[in-house]
Amino acid sequence: EADIYQTPRYLVIGTGKKITLECSQTMGHDKMYWYQQDPGMELHLIHYSYGVNSTEKGDLSSESTVSRIRTEHFPLTLESARPSHTSQYLCASSARRQGAEAFFGQGTRLTVV
Amino acid sequence: ELKVEQNPLFLSMQEGKNYTIYCNYSTTSDRLYWYRQDPGKSLESLFVLLSNGAVKQEGRLMASLDTKARLSTLHITAAVHDLSATYFCAVDIMGTMDSNYQLIWGAGTKLIIKP
Repeated sequence: EADIYQTPRYLVIGTGKKITLECSQTMGHDKMYWYQQDPGMELHLIHYSYGVNSTEKGDLSSESTVSRIRTEHFPLTLESARPSHTSQYLCASSARRQGAEAFFGQGTRLTVV
Repeated sequence: ELKVEQNPLFLSMQEGKNYTIYCNYSTTSDRLYWYRQDPGKSLESLFVLLSNGAVKQEGRLMASLDTKARLSTLHITAAVHDLSATYFCAVDIMGTMDSNYQLIWGAGTKLIIKP
Protein backbone atom coordinates (compact mmCIF):
# COMPACT_ATOMS: atom_id res chain seq x y z
CA GLU A 1 0.00 0.00 0.00
CA ALA A 2 1.27 3.43 -0.98
CA ASP A 3 2.12 5.86 1.81
CA ILE A 4 0.83 9.11 0.42
CA TYR A 5 -1.73 11.15 2.28
CA GLN A 6 -3.95 14.05 1.40
CA THR A 7 -5.88 16.31 3.72
CA PRO A 8 -8.60 17.28 3.90
CA ARG A 9 -10.55 14.56 2.12
CA TYR A 10 -13.54 16.84 1.62
CA LEU A 11 -13.79 20.63 1.77
CA VAL A 12 -16.60 23.09 1.18
CA ILE A 13 -15.59 26.75 1.17
CA GLY A 14 -16.89 30.10 0.04
CA THR A 15 -15.80 32.02 -3.02
CA GLY A 16 -12.75 34.19 -2.52
CA LYS A 17 -11.25 32.17 0.31
CA LYS A 18 -7.62 31.12 0.33
CA ILE A 19 -7.09 27.40 0.83
CA THR A 20 -4.19 25.01 1.05
CA LEU A 21 -4.50 21.34 0.18
CA GLU A 22 -1.94 19.17 1.92
CA CYS A 23 -0.05 16.21 0.49
CA SER A 24 2.59 14.16 2.26
CA GLN A 25 4.41 10.97 1.34
CA THR A 26 6.70 8.79 3.40
CA MET A 27 8.33 6.89 0.56
CA GLY A 28 11.20 9.32 0.01
CA HIS A 29 10.03 9.99 -3.54
CA ASP A 30 11.65 12.89 -5.35
CA LYS A 31 8.87 13.50 -7.86
CA MET A 32 5.48 14.76 -6.78
CA TYR A 33 2.48 15.87 -8.80
CA TRP A 34 -0.86 17.63 -8.39
CA TYR A 35 -3.72 16.75 -10.74
CA GLN A 36 -7.22 18.13 -11.07
CA GLN A 37 -9.92 15.72 -12.14
CA ASP A 38 -13.65 16.17 -12.63
CA PRO A 39 -15.63 12.98 -11.92
CA GLY A 40 -14.90 10.29 -14.48
CA MET A 41 -12.91 12.65 -16.64
CA GLU A 42 -9.29 13.18 -17.69
CA LEU A 43 -6.45 14.07 -15.36
CA HIS A 44 -5.10 17.60 -15.75
CA LEU A 45 -1.61 18.28 -14.43
CA ILE A 46 -1.51 21.41 -12.26
CA HIS A 47 2.02 21.37 -10.85
CA TYR A 48 4.89 18.98 -10.39
CA SER A 49 8.21 18.85 -8.63
CA TYR A 50 11.46 16.95 -9.22
CA GLY A 51 12.68 17.45 -5.66
CA VAL A 52 13.25 20.00 -2.90
CA ASN A 53 13.08 23.60 -4.14
CA SER A 54 11.97 22.42 -7.58
CA THR A 55 8.49 23.27 -8.87
CA GLU A 56 7.15 23.27 -12.41
CA LYS A 57 3.84 24.38 -13.85
CA GLY A 58 1.48 22.04 -15.61
CA ASP A 59 -1.48 22.80 -17.84
CA LEU A 60 -3.79 24.36 -15.23
CA SER A 61 -1.36 26.12 -12.96
CA SER A 62 -2.28 29.77 -13.39
CA GLU A 63 -4.60 30.01 -10.41
CA SER A 64 -2.61 28.05 -7.86
CA THR A 65 0.85 27.80 -6.32
CA VAL A 66 2.92 25.03 -4.77
CA SER A 67 6.03 24.76 -2.66
CA ARG A 68 8.51 21.97 -2.01
CA ILE A 69 10.53 22.82 1.06
CA ARG A 70 10.76 19.23 2.27
CA THR A 71 10.91 16.04 0.22
CA GLU A 72 7.85 14.58 1.85
CA HIS A 73 5.55 17.59 1.64
CA PHE A 74 3.99 19.25 -1.45
CA PRO A 75 1.11 21.60 -0.55
CA LEU A 76 -1.13 23.24 -3.15
CA THR A 77 -2.56 26.72 -2.49
CA LEU A 78 -5.50 28.41 -4.18
CA GLU A 79 -5.21 32.11 -3.43
CA SER A 80 -8.84 32.94 -4.17
CA ALA A 81 -11.21 30.05 -4.63
CA ARG A 82 -13.87 30.20 -7.31
CA PRO A 83 -16.78 27.87 -8.17
CA SER A 84 -14.80 26.76 -11.24
CA HIS A 85 -12.26 25.23 -8.84
CA THR A 86 -14.86 22.72 -7.68
CA SER A 87 -13.25 19.39 -8.52
CA GLN A 88 -11.24 16.50 -7.14
CA TYR A 89 -7.53 17.16 -6.54
CA LEU A 90 -5.17 14.21 -6.65
CA CYS A 91 -1.61 14.21 -5.37
CA ALA A 92 0.88 11.59 -6.59
CA SER A 93 4.54 10.76 -6.11
CA SER A 94 7.13 8.59 -7.79
CA ALA A 95 10.77 7.73 -7.48
CA ARG A 96 13.14 9.53 -9.83
CA ARG A 97 14.40 6.44 -11.66
CA GLN A 98 13.19 5.33 -15.07
CA GLY A 99 10.10 3.20 -15.01
CA ALA A 100 9.01 4.22 -11.53
CA GLU A 101 5.25 4.12 -11.23
CA ALA A 102 3.32 6.94 -9.62
CA PHE A 103 1.39 6.34 -6.41
CA PHE A 104 -1.71 8.40 -5.70
CA GLY A 105 -3.22 9.81 -2.56
CA GLN A 106 -6.91 9.40 -1.80
CA GLY A 107 -7.76 12.81 -3.18
CA THR A 108 -9.38 15.99 -1.89
CA ARG A 109 -12.87 16.72 -3.11
CA LEU A 110 -13.28 20.50 -3.15
CA THR A 111 -16.56 22.37 -3.48
CA VAL A 112 -16.54 26.14 -3.78
CA VAL A 113 -19.91 27.78 -3.15
CA GLU B 1 2.31 17.19 -29.96
CA LEU B 2 2.57 14.51 -27.29
CA LYS B 3 -0.64 12.51 -27.29
CA VAL B 4 -1.93 9.39 -25.61
CA GLU B 5 -5.19 8.14 -27.04
CA GLN B 6 -7.38 5.49 -25.52
CA ASN B 7 -10.22 3.72 -27.21
CA PRO B 8 -12.90 3.12 -26.64
CA LEU B 9 -13.65 5.88 -24.14
CA PHE B 10 -16.74 4.08 -22.97
CA LEU B 11 -17.50 0.38 -23.00
CA SER B 12 -20.53 -1.48 -21.75
CA MET B 13 -20.31 -5.24 -21.84
CA GLN B 14 -21.87 -8.36 -20.43
CA GLU B 15 -20.27 -10.56 -17.83
CA GLY B 16 -18.38 -13.46 -19.30
CA LYS B 17 -17.32 -11.63 -22.46
CA ASN B 18 -13.80 -10.75 -23.57
CA TYR B 19 -12.73 -7.33 -24.68
CA THR B 20 -9.66 -5.18 -25.30
CA ILE B 21 -8.90 -1.56 -24.50
CA TYR B 22 -6.29 0.17 -26.66
CA CYS B 23 -3.77 2.84 -25.78
CA ASN B 24 -1.87 4.56 -28.63
CA TYR B 25 0.83 7.14 -28.08
CA SER B 26 2.51 9.57 -30.41
CA THR B 27 6.19 9.54 -29.47
CA THR B 28 8.94 7.12 -28.57
CA SER B 29 8.64 5.53 -25.15
CA ASP B 30 9.19 2.11 -23.68
CA ARG B 31 7.50 2.76 -20.35
CA LEU B 32 3.75 2.55 -20.04
CA TYR B 33 1.47 2.25 -17.03
CA TRP B 34 -2.11 1.13 -16.54
CA TYR B 35 -4.23 2.40 -13.65
CA ARG B 36 -7.70 1.67 -12.39
CA GLN B 37 -10.07 4.21 -10.85
CA ASP B 38 -13.31 3.31 -9.09
CA PRO B 39 -16.04 5.99 -9.00
CA GLY B 40 -15.24 8.70 -6.49
CA LYS B 41 -11.89 7.13 -5.64
CA SER B 42 -8.27 7.70 -6.48
CA LEU B 43 -6.08 5.87 -8.99
CA GLU B 44 -4.58 2.47 -8.29
CA SER B 45 -1.62 1.10 -10.21
CA LEU B 46 -2.36 -2.06 -12.19
CA PHE B 47 0.57 -2.72 -14.50
CA VAL B 48 4.00 -1.32 -15.27
CA LEU B 49 5.31 -2.20 -18.76
CA LEU B 50 8.96 -1.35 -19.27
CA SER B 51 10.05 -2.88 -22.57
CA ASN B 52 8.92 -3.87 -26.03
CA GLY B 53 6.95 -7.10 -25.86
CA ALA B 54 6.31 -6.82 -22.13
CA VAL B 55 3.25 -8.71 -20.98
CA LYS B 56 1.80 -8.64 -17.48
CA GLN B 57 -1.22 -10.51 -16.17
CA GLU B 58 -3.27 -10.20 -13.01
CA GLY B 59 -6.40 -12.27 -12.74
CA ARG B 60 -8.68 -11.54 -15.67
CA LEU B 61 -6.60 -8.58 -16.88
CA MET B 62 -3.61 -8.80 -19.19
CA ALA B 63 -1.58 -5.86 -20.48
CA SER B 64 0.96 -5.81 -23.27
CA LEU B 65 3.25 -3.26 -24.88
CA ASP B 66 4.42 -2.94 -28.49
CA THR B 67 6.83 -0.01 -28.57
CA LYS B 68 7.34 -0.22 -32.32
CA ALA B 69 3.62 0.25 -32.94
CA ARG B 70 3.41 2.65 -29.96
CA LEU B 71 0.50 0.61 -28.71
CA SER B 72 -0.52 -1.02 -25.48
CA THR B 73 -3.53 -3.22 -24.92
CA LEU B 74 -5.46 -4.12 -21.80
CA HIS B 75 -7.34 -7.36 -22.38
CA ILE B 76 -10.22 -8.45 -20.19
CA THR B 77 -11.04 -12.14 -20.13
CA ALA B 78 -14.47 -13.41 -19.03
CA ALA B 79 -15.40 -10.07 -17.51
CA VAL B 80 -17.02 -9.88 -14.09
CA HIS B 81 -18.97 -7.00 -12.56
CA ASP B 82 -16.16 -6.17 -10.11
CA LEU B 83 -13.99 -5.05 -13.01
CA SER B 84 -16.31 -2.10 -13.68
CA ALA B 85 -14.12 1.00 -13.35
CA THR B 86 -12.33 3.62 -15.41
CA TYR B 87 -8.98 2.48 -16.77
CA PHE B 88 -6.22 4.95 -17.60
CA CYS B 89 -2.98 4.43 -19.45
CA ALA B 90 -0.01 6.75 -19.05
CA VAL B 91 3.23 6.98 -20.99
CA ASP B 92 6.59 8.09 -19.64
CA ILE B 93 8.20 10.60 -21.98
CA MET B 94 11.91 11.13 -21.48
CA GLY B 95 13.29 14.65 -21.53
CA THR B 96 16.85 15.76 -22.03
CA MET B 97 17.95 14.74 -18.56
CA ASP B 98 17.53 11.32 -17.00
CA SER B 99 15.20 12.63 -14.34
CA ASN B 100 13.45 15.12 -16.56
CA TYR B 101 10.57 13.00 -17.78
CA GLN B 102 6.87 13.33 -17.46
CA LEU B 103 3.76 11.23 -17.55
CA ILE B 104 1.30 11.80 -20.36
CA TRP B 105 -2.15 10.43 -19.60
CA GLY B 106 -4.87 8.97 -21.76
CA ALA B 107 -8.43 10.23 -21.27
CA GLY B 108 -9.54 7.00 -19.61
CA THR B 109 -11.88 4.19 -20.63
CA LYS B 110 -15.03 3.87 -18.59
CA LEU B 111 -15.90 0.20 -18.40
CA ILE B 112 -19.32 -1.00 -17.26
CA ILE B 113 -19.85 -4.72 -16.92
CA LYS B 114 -23.44 -5.79 -16.61
CA PRO B 115 -24.42 -8.92 -14.68
